[in-house]
Amino acid sequence: GAVVSQHPSRVICKSGTSVKIECRSLDFQATTMFWYRQFPKKSLMLMATSNEGSKATYEQGVEKDKFLINHASLTLSTLTVTSAHPEDSSFYICSARDWTGTDTQYFGPGTRLTVL
Amino acid sequence: QKEVEQNSGPLSVPEGAIASLNCTYSDRGSQSFFWYRQYSGKSPELIMFIYSNGDKEDGRFTAQLNKASQYVSLLIRDSQPSDSATYLCAVNLRASGYSTLTFGKGTMLLVSP
Repeated sequence: GAVVSQHPSRVICKSGTSVKIECRSLDFQATTMFWYRQFPKKSLMLMATSNEGSKATYEQGVEKDKFLINHASLTLSTLTVTSAHPEDSSFYICSARDWTGTDTQYFGPGTRLTVL
Repeated sequence: QKEVEQNSGPLSVPEGAIASLNCTYSDRGSQSFFWYRQYSGKSPELIMFIYSNGDKEDGRFTAQLNKASQYVSLLIRDSQPSDSATYLCAVNLRASGYSTLTFGKGTMLLVSP
C-alpha cells in the first residue's frame, strides 16, 4: 500500500518558537496533501488542503499566517507552526491523496507537538 | 451542511463475535466511502473503501453501502481484542473541483477476550 511519512514524530518546543513538520509520500505522487489536527479524545479536524505548486486552502478558523503550508513537490508538503503557543499543542497528521482513480487518502503517522 | 454521523460507542463485543459499525451521511452526491481504524495515540489507517451499492469483502471486513438510504456500514467477523480501536467513517465530497474527506466522529469498538 501507499506509504506516507512524517517528520518529526514528536517535538517539544518553547513558546514563541516555530516548528516545521514534513510530510512525504514515499511511493506515489501526491498532487494534493491534507493537514489535520487532533486534540486528545477529539475528532480529526481538517486544517488545510495543500496542492502542489499553488497556495494552500485553509479551513474556516485556521490562521494561514500562523500555519504556513508549502507543497513544493509532488512528494513533499511542509507545515510550519509559527510562534507556537501552548494552545497549539496537538497531534498533527498529514494525508496524501492517491490519484490512481480511488481518491483514497493515506495518512502519515502523525507529529505530536508539545509547546511549553 | 455536509455531515457524516456515527454512534460514538463504545460498542462492546466478545471475542469471536461480529461487530457492526454504522454510518449515515447527508450528501446524496457522495461518491466514495472509506473506513479507517485509529488506535489510541496513532494516526488513522485505511481499512477499505467502497463506491458501489452492495457489499465489499476484504478478509474479516465487509463494507456495505446503500446509497438510497445514505447508509454505509462495516462488519468485522471473528472480532479480536486487537480490533479494539476507534473506527472512522469518511465520505468523499466534491467541492470546488477537488475532493475532501468528511469524517464522522468515530465509533469506539471494544472487543473483550
